[in-house]
Amino acid sequence: EDQVTQSPEALRLQEGESSSLNCSYTVSGLRGLFWYRQDPGKGPEFLFTLYSAGEEKEKERLKATLTKKESFLHITAPKPEDSATYLCARGIREKLTFGTGTRLTIIP
Amino acid sequence: DGGITQSPKYLFRKEGQNVTLSCEQNLNHDAMYWYRQDPGQGLRLIYYSQIVNDFQKGDIAEGYSVSREKKESFPLTVTSAQKNPTAFYLCARSRTGANEKLFFGSGTQLSVL
Repeated sequence: EDQVTQSPEALRLQEGESSSLNCSYTVSGLRGLFWYRQDPGKGPEFLFTLYSAGEEKEKERLKATLTKKESFLHITAPKPEDSATYLCARGIREKLTFGTGTRLTIIP
Repeated sequence: DGGITQSPKYLFRKEGQNVTLSCEQNLNHDAMYWYRQDPGQGLRLIYYSQIVNDFQKGDIAEGYSVSREKKESFPLTVTSAQKNPTAFYLCARSRTGANEKLFFGSGTQLSVL
């Protein structure tokens, strides 16, 4: 069974305190690893797609990286507006399978 | 709205009642999806469609039905057979459906009266 596991479930950081979120998957044959941001009561907003081990993408304070078995979302010097739930998903055939997310809170 | 519109924002269902959630897209994309989100859980796929008049069951299709009569519309009906319908429902679109990024609507919160 294809599984996507995210850790930690929740993370509280002080403003400016950098950290990383983890996304790991169990089935081989990666067809794309996707990161989304979701605010409460809203639909997920697309952040990044990674396709190959070693690939990295950046957007403002966020950087996503990919290895053969996991992906990391690095957040550098976060601000309170970065507080959200971050979801990862892996592509398999024509579908995306999502993890349960990491709820990130940035404290001013 | 990212080219995809869901309505209503909030919906209430009575016991034994069927309700329909609307999803419309205006970007001429081929693929559309319905996901369900429960608190503390990931998004779970209900149904998806890659072409008009064709759709496929996802992981949790029981108690739900869909139609794809027009490219721009993919309504979801939550039937009375779905015994635990309270959840946040998300519709998404992608250009072709072949492992591409999804663009989500703003969601519908369904609750049982």
